[in-house]
Amino acid sequence: DSGVTQTPKHLITATGQRVTLRCSPRSGDLSVYWYQQSLDQGLQFLIHYYNGEERAKGNILERFSAQQFPDLHSELNLSSLELGDSALYFCASSVTGYGNTIYFGEGSWLTVV
Amino acid sequence: AQRVTQPEKLLSVFKGAPVELKCNYSYSGSPELFWYVQYSRQRLQLLLRHISRESIKGFTADLNKGETSFHLKKPFAQEEDSAMYYCALQAGTALIFGKGTTLSVSS
Repeated sequence: DSGVTQTPKHLITATGQRVTLRCSPRSGDLSVYWYQQSLDQGLQFLIHYYNGEERAKGNILERFSAQQFPDLHSELNLSSLELGDSALYFCASSVTGYGNTIYFGEGSWLTVV
Repeated sequence: AQRVTQPEKLLSVFKGAPVELKCNYSYSGSPELFWYVQYSRQRLQLLLRHISRESIKGFTADLNKGETSFHLKKPFAQEEDSAMYYCALQAGTALIFGKGTTLSVSS
């Protein structure tokens, strides 16, 4: 158990819908990362938050957004869902973000039908 | 541009055989490199990082700056080593991953 908690574990939704994925980082970790894992694209970095502020953006679509709250938990919002958004979404956390080990959660399986 | 390349999608070996999973990187700064392992689409687990120079589960990796490589090696593969292995580069605050190599160890 890495200490990073993600909910829900599985989610099935229809095209055009909106979903929210939730992540609680390890106790004491200020950085939260979101990654998308799909069969064809591999592991894609989406976004990084540190202590509530966005620090880095990767290949995140405009239909997706994220935020980190004062209690350090984070949410990834995916809207206008398409079939191609079906993937495993990982949250990860680390103490600061520079030179610290990054720990991953179990992931949220999203299936868009 | 920062990039991690894992040239092999799949590596199949027999139990007891040596294993080498290849990783090459492109990064203008001083690289920090990692290997992560993923069993059956579960969470990624850190296997090792180059600065700690540890050996985990018999795996080692040496950073070769001249060849910009960070290959993962194990002298004798075990069936329980079958998994997906990702090489990752710390670029700024994010980890950039390669596409991964599936290691399949059969008896």
